[in-house]
Amino acid sequence: GAGVSQSPSNKVTEKGKDVELRCDPISGHTALYWYRQSLGQGLEFLIYFQGNSAPDKSGLPSDRFSAERTGGSVSTLTIQRTQQEDSAVYLCASSLHPGEYKSYEQYFGPGTRLTVT
Amino acid sequence: AQSVTQLDSQVPVFEEAPVELRCNYSSSVSVYLFWYVQYPNQGLQLLLKYLSGSTLVKGINGFEAEFNKSQTSFHLRKPSVHISDTAEYFCAVSESNTDKLIFGTGTRLQVFP
Repeated sequence: GAGVSQSPSNKVTEKGKDVELRCDPISGHTALYWYRQSLGQGLEFLIYFQGNSAPDKSGLPSDRFSAERTGGSVSTLTIQRTQQEDSAVYLCASSLHPGEYKSYEQYFGPGTRLTVT
Repeated sequence: AQSVTQLDSQVPVFEEAPVELRCNYSSSVSVYLFWYVQYPNQGLQLLLKYLSGSTLVKGINGFEAEFNKSQTSFHLRKPSVHISDTAEYFCAVSESNTDKLIFGTGTRLQVFP
């Protein structure tokens, strides 16, 4: 079956421009996560959506970063006024509903490589 | 706050030799532990996970890991590696009710013929 898909696969943008990154989770997965993988910081959690609950935004590095999830499915990560330090691979993952005493595997997409020039 | 430490950034090893990739974590609450693998130019794939029960966990591709609560460790092992095991390996921890993952910095396993 279809896995997690992300688009675009590569994005080159100029410093100061806004970018939108898209994630299509696996159908039926209620939990969706964004992570960032960069040379200097490794793999970092950014934001987490679970059903209709308020998202956990505790990992967003600045107020230039925001994300939304429409209809409990597709998610868009937006970075405003991009900076060179935003250059990284942005990974999306989805899973079934996590809960106490139960954990479900997170399935990762291939990522979007963002380069800010 | 939770954290994960992978002390070895690179581990070179010859084919068919055993290997251990070290992982230590810190957390004040119950956690789940994971090992992910990232092959060159590919996404993250789950190798194995510890949720509860037996402290020895077996995963895909012949890998296993042992949860040691007293030493707060979750080291990954394989008795005989193959060239195809060359990849980046990430240890991760999550709290029991959110599943958001906190990753270590990764260990690059390089298997030589």
